[in-house]
Amino acid sequence: EAAVTQSPRNKVAVTGGKVTLSCNQTNNHNNMYWYRQDTGHGLRLIHYSYGAGSTEKGDIPDGYKASRPSQENFSLILELATPSQTSVYFCASGVQNTLYFGAGTRLSVL
Amino acid sequence: AQKVTQTQTSISVMEKTTVTMDCVYETQDSSYFLFWYKQTASGEIVFLIRQDSYKKENATVGHYSLNFQKPKSSIGLIITATQIEDSAVYFCAMSPVNTGNYKYVFGAGTRLKVIA
Repeated sequence: EAAVTQSPRNKVAVTGGKVTLSCNQTNNHNNMYWYRQDTGHGLRLIHYSYGAGSTEKGDIPDGYKASRPSQENFSLILELATPSQTSVYFCASGVQNTLYFGAGTRLSVL
Repeated sequence: AQKVTQTQTSISVMEKTTVTMDCVYETQDSSYFLFWYKQTASGEIVFLIRQDSYKKENATVGHYSLNFQKPKSSIGLIITATQIEDSAVYFCAMSPVNTGNYKYVFGAGTRLKVIA
């Protein structure tokens, strides 16, 4: 069974602070993704990766960085968090014809 | 660029009836995958069903089936004999095939409420 684990599950951050969201997958999938979910917008792609060392910009990358240091780990980094980045963030890993999602991280930036 | 549009924000149906959720898409790719995912009340997102664009037969899995109309760029999700536990948010998504770009694009979602 595919397993994607996100940490933390909940995070409260201050405006201007640095936030790192972590994702670990045990599926040995090459591809990993970060999405944010907001009411009315569905799931929007922030960054994705084809494998260790690679990161690609998604549809809404501004204000976010990504890091893929290994096959298993993919991080999303908010260098200077803003209230507009308050959202639920989902990590996913997958092959071309199926995505497996983590449980999500609820981030509040105050 | 790819785009996926779900115009139905929410739908309510009576239990044991059939419901159809609409999805239209835009792409320049000749081959692509179309998906439906379900987000439960707990927030969990799970894969439901997939349609390969080069297949004419509509995909079916359990009480989920698809209505694929390629000329209309449409992929509807049909749930027959709905159950209370089908209440969830349903996302339509797509990704290209064999281009090296495995970028998945999602629609905004349709919230389904099944009423007893």
